[in-house]
Amino acid sequence: QTVVTQEPSFSVSPRGTVTLTCGLTSGSVSTSHYPSWYQQAPGQAPRTLIYSTNTRSSGVPDRFSGSILGNKAALTITGAQADDESHYYCVLYVGNDLVFGGGTKLTVL
Amino acid sequence: QVQLVQSGAEVKKPGASVKVSCKASGYTLTSYNINWVRQATGQGLEWMGWMNPNTGNTGYAQNFQGRVSMTWNTAISTAYMELNSLTSEDAAVYYCARGNWYHALDFWGQGTMVTVSS
Repeated sequence: QTVVTQEPSFSVSPRGTVTLTCGLTSGSVSTSHYPSWYQQAPGQAPRTLIYSTNTRSSGVPDRFSGSILGNKAALTITGAQADDESHYYCVLYVGNDLVFGGGTKLTVL
Repeated sequence: QVQLVQSGAEVKKPGASVKVSCKASGYTLTSYNINWVRQATGQGLEWMGWMNPNTGNTGYAQNFQGRVSMTWNTAISTAYMELNSLTSEDAAVYYCARGNWYHALDFWGQGTMVTVSS
């Protein structure tokens, strides 16, 4: 069974930069996993931020960016704002399935 | 604009089935996959499977195989997810989401809460 790993929690200062990562317990993440990232506020449906590693979804500000860093996918938030405080989930495409990571709770303080 | 509107909350008894609908507008249902994702209270997101209304193909996550069925009615642009043999562990919010050509979920429904209680 494929397991996608994310940091359970992270904190960032307002106007700071943070990088969240998305890995595999076995193997490296590559562009062929089509990494995507989602933001979910409490009680809301997820919002799509990034797909296909680094393509921003429509309306997503350019302070959100995606990449591959080493053997993981990464989501970088530059100039964090208070309303970026949320849960962030990555998804990898593995063998015709989508696999969610456990999510990262980001605190802005 | 693309919208996915789901059916309302459900309360079911253990052992029963639930069928959630997802009405698509702003695009043609047969042009994209529909995926289903669920989230138990306080937990993360879990992918359940996908359906392709154009080819008729479906693919279900291993955890749900044999218990889930994804169908659609193109005439009314609506997708359905039916889950059988419910237990308390199936209590969750169920989301439909459109799958784009890059294996991502680009538009989401508002979610349907399913409660399982005797």
